[in-house]
Formats: sequence, C-alpha cells, structure tokens
Amino acid sequence: KQEVTQIPAALSVPEGENLVLNCSFTDSAIYNLQWFRQDPGKGLTSLLLIQSSQREQTSGRLNASLDKSSGRSTLYIAASQPGDSATYLCAVYSSNTGKLIFGQGTTLQVKP
Amino acid sequence: EPEVTQTPSHQVTQMGQEVILRCVPISNHLYFYWYRQILGQKVEFLVSFYNNEISEKSEIFDDQFSVERPDGSNFTLKIRSTKLEDSAMYFCASSHPGQGGTGELFFGEGSRLTVL
Repeated sequence: KQEVTQIPAALSVPEGENLVLNCSFTDSAIYNLQWFRQDPGKGLTSLLLIQSSQREQTSGRLNASLDKSSGRSTLYIAASQPGDSATYLCAVYSSNTGKLIFGQGTTLQVKP
Repeated sequence: EPEVTQTPSHQVTQMGQEVILRCVPISNHLYFYWYRQILGQKVEFLVSFYNNEISEKSEIFDDQFSVERPDGSNFTLKIRSTKLEDSAMYFCASSHPGQGGTGELFFGEGSRLTVL
C-alpha cells in the first residue's frame, strides 16, 4: 500500500531564506509526483508535476526533484516571501492503485 | 486559464438528507475525480471516472455515494443519506491523459459540506 510522508509538518522561516520541503513514498511504482499549494480553507493549486522518468522540474523560484528509487522528492523554495505562507502537499500517482495519494502536508510560515 | 469549478462552495444539511455536489471539469479533460479532506486530515481519494464509468473507488465510496456525468460538462457527487462523519471539504479534479500514463490533476476550490 502506498504511503506518502512529509517532513517537517510545520516550518517557520524569516523572509528571504531558501528552504527545502521533504516528501517520501513507500512504493516506487509511480506514474508521476505532484506538489500542490493549499491556502487555508481553499482548494489545491498545482505547483509542479514530475513524471516518473524525470529527475526535476522548475517553475520560477520553485524546484522539485524526484529520486524514484529511494522514494524521495524535495521541493526547494528560493528566496522565500510572506506570500509563500501556505500548506504544501506532495502527492504521488501510484501505478499499482491508479490514484493520487497525498501526504499530510507541510505548513509553511514565512515571517516578514 | 481553464479551471475546475465547483458548486456550492458551502452546504449545510441535516443528517439523513441527500446532497449533490456539482463540478464542471476542464473542457478537454477525460478523467474526473472526487477527493475529500476532513478538517485537519489528509486529502483522500474517493473515486475516479473515465469513459462514463467508475474506474477506481476507495473503501470510503460505499453505497451511499454515487457519481454521474449527466451531460457533456457536469460531474456530480451524490451522497444519499448524509452522516455526521461526511462533514468535509470535497474536491473535484480533472486531468487529460498526458504522455506515459497520467497527466496533471487540476483541482477545484472545493465544496465544504457540514452535516448537523
């Protein structure tokens, strides 16, 4: 059964810091991995999608990496801003189950 | 930019009542999904739908739940007789198949269901 874990559960950093959010998954049989952003009480905004054959994807100040064999992904946020404060969710599309499985998220607070 | 839209944004209902949550997926997408998030918990899969039939469903998706694509644009989730534990945010998502398996899932803003 695919399990997705995100560490840390919460993170508070001063504005301008670079930071890394971690995601691990137990079954390497995946089609892809997606990182989402969720603001309080809101929907899920897709940030980056990494296909299983890819190693990383970049969008602006965000860079996501994927190491399928070790079951790990990281989301790197450069030069963090207060507007980055949100919960970041990692999700893997498991090829054995045909569904997107979510981690519990990392809640990020960037202080001005 | 195309988006997934959901209605209502919030619904309050009495236990035992029927509820229908509505979604308009992105127009050229072929796969449709419902997920839910109970307050403070993980986002969890309910059901996926392709080619006018359910392709996967979770153990949560019991006989109280049903999905339908009544026309070319809407995708609905019906809960026949709501229970207190059905209180959650329900998210609709859609995707285009993409290359090599699955495409990116795009989620709506969610419908918050409160069962009293």
